[in-house]
Amino acid sequence: AQSVSQHNHHVILSEAASLELGCNYSYGGTVNLFWYVQYPGQHLQLLLKYFSGDPLVKGIKGFEAEFIKSKFSFNLRKPSVQWSDTAEYFCAVKNYGQNFVFGPGTRLSVLP
Amino acid sequence: SAVISQKPSRDICQRGTSLTIQCQVDSQVTMMFWYRQQPGQSLTLIATANQGSEATYESGFVIDKFPISRPNLTFSTLTVSNMSPEDSSIYLCSAGLAENTGELFFGEGSRLTVL
Repeated sequence: AQSVSQHNHHVILSEAASLELGCNYSYGGTVNLFWYVQYPGQHLQLLLKYFSGDPLVKGIKGFEAEFIKSKFSFNLRKPSVQWSDTAEYFCAVKNYGQNFVFGPGTRLSVLP
Repeated sequence: SAVISQKPSRDICQRGTSLTIQCQVDSQVTMMFWYRQQPGQSLTLIATANQGSEATYESGFVIDKFPISRPNLTFSTLTVSNMSPEDSSIYLCSAGLAENTGELFFGEGSRLTVL
């Protein structure tokens, strides 16, 4: 069965620091990859997604992610975080005809 | 895109009672799902809500405990039956426009506390 792992449970950064959140998945076939964000008290919303093409995808709010097929990874990055980026981040994987599989989530705390 | 409304947004319930959560989508969607998100944990799929037929449940979830209805393409309900404190969680409704677009949209969730 498909599984998704995220490297860090809780990341604490100061404003303006660079961010990289790791995500690895287990399935070796064709996958669609997603990063979702859940701000405090709000619903899950899509940050970015990868279906095909350029493995470097850009999302909202300055986030980007790189798909590295050989490493089964889809890491999320942002060059300079802001206090407003404090949230829970979920990596998710979907194979065609299968259900979404979500990672355990990484809590990001950005200190002002 | 799809905007999903859930109600109630939160409730406190007594052990042994049942609660029904409603989910309304602002557009016709192909797929609707119910997830559970326990404190500090990721999302666990409870079931796929199928229009006009029985829901498809994931391992560990049964219809008697979590009956689901989906009478049309924009509305679904999830009932948490005979609740116990272990059912305290956030229940999320989500929807997908089509299989090949992949993206899921989420409601704000219903936070249930069972005493």
